Amino acid sequence: EVQLVESGGGVIQPGGSLRLSCAASGFTFSRHNMNWVRQTPGKGLEWLSYISLSGNIIYYADSAKGRFTISRDNGKSSLYLQMNTLRVEDTAIYFCARETYYDIGGFDRFYFDYWGQGTLVTVSS
Amino acid sequence: DIVLTQSPATLSLSPGERATLSCGASQSISTYLAWFQQIPGQAPRLLIYDASNRATGIPARFSGSGSGTDFTLTISSLEPEDSAVYYCQQRHSWPRITFGQGTRLEIK
Repeated sequence: EVQLVESGGGVIQPGGSLRLSCAASGFTFSRHNMNWVRQTPGKGLEWLSYISLSGNIIYYADSAKGRFTISRDNGKSSLYLQMNTLRVEDTAIYFCARETYYDIGGFDRFYFDYWGQGTLVTVSS
Repeated sequence: DIVLTQSPATLSLSPGERATLSCGASQSISTYLAWFQQIPGQAPRLLIYDASNRATGIPARFSGSGSGTDFTLTISSLEPEDSAVYYCQQRHSWPRITFGQGTRLEIK
């Protein structure tokens, strides 16, 4: 059974740092691109960051660029998100999401097929 | 960024009825659209990928259609467990993936 379990959330003051982890099991972690997505009542679901199979290709949303760092350890089947200089508006539930490849009529397509349950980050003084 | 607009915001229907949820894109996204179901407190679950393909294990009462800028998720005969929030997601502008704001489906 595919499982993604996030951890590392909590209450942190503005300007602080947190490191989120996502432990994967039930599949070969190194064969899947991975992502972080967050959810807030106000902005809904927001994609944050992508990392390729080996970690050599990384992308960030503008809201994460320069403050957040995504990484992975395929030997430990784990995904990470280092979050620095946290702001009140970073308060959200943070999800990790697995991508899977689909061949749709000869076109290469990737979709999020499994998500973790999420970890809550609250940035407040 | 490509904006996805979902309608209606809230839908209240009875078991056995048909639900039709819409997702409109601010520009053409071909068929690069997915639908997710999220029950409060749970992880989002992939229902439909590439506009019309049911994901593994998803009941046949869920179907998706559309291309370009207009997409529809249909639940043919509602069950009580279908009560959830439904989101569409586009990947046409990858890596700048965006989501719709969601449709809350209540089963009376």
